[in-house]
Amino acid sequence: ELKVEQNPLFLSMQEGKNYTIYCNYSTTSDRLYWYRQDPGKSLESLFVLLSNGAVKQEGRLMASLDTKARLSTLHITAAVHDLSATYFCAGKSSGDKLTFGTGTRLAVRP
Amino acid sequence: ETGVTQTPRHLVMGMTNKKSLKCEQHLGHNAMYWYKQSAKKPLELMFVYNFKEQTENNSVPSRFSPECPNSSHLFLHLHTLQPEDSALYLCASRRDSLTGELFFGEGSRLTVL
Repeated sequence: ELKVEQNPLFLSMQEGKNYTIYCNYSTTSDRLYWYRQDPGKSLESLFVLLSNGAVKQEGRLMASLDTKARLSTLHITAAVHDLSATYFCAGKSSGDKLTFGTGTRLAVRP
Repeated sequence: ETGVTQTPRHLVMGMTNKKSLKCEQHLGHNAMYWYKQSAKKPLELMFVYNFKEQTENNSVPSRFSPECPNSSHLFLHLHTLQPEDSALYLCASRRDSLTGELFFGEGSRLTVL
């Protein structure tokens, strides 16, 4: 059964700084997803990574996938307050299942 | 607006009540999901329907009964719930099986007294 672990679980960072959120998964998953959730809101799809070595960027966020290491990263560049949210990664195991990590709560402070 | 609408947004029910959660998607997708989101826990997959057929049941107690009359609508019927069932219930639809990307509704916040 696929297990997905994220770290850190909580991240407080200063505006303008860079940081990386890590997502490790336990068994083969050839697709990896990143979602964002604002308090009281739905999950918003950020990135879909479909193959080993995939890298996608949107604004200050960049996601990558290394299927051999079973690792995905979400890199934040020059953080701004608007990026404060909870970020989830998810892997696709057998059939139709998407398994989510526990989430990383990001707080960007001035 | 994600194209996935859930009602009600908030629901308070007693342990002996029967209620239903509704999800409707306007995206033309063929697969729909129920997830449970509790505080300090990962999202838990409950059910998946693909072309109206149930393809995943993640060992969910029978007090939760899903129904998928067509590819656009998904229900979760609730009865004899327990206080630990209080959570945010999220519905999602899947764009296609190639990417597997899910689009989520805003959720139904359930409180069981």
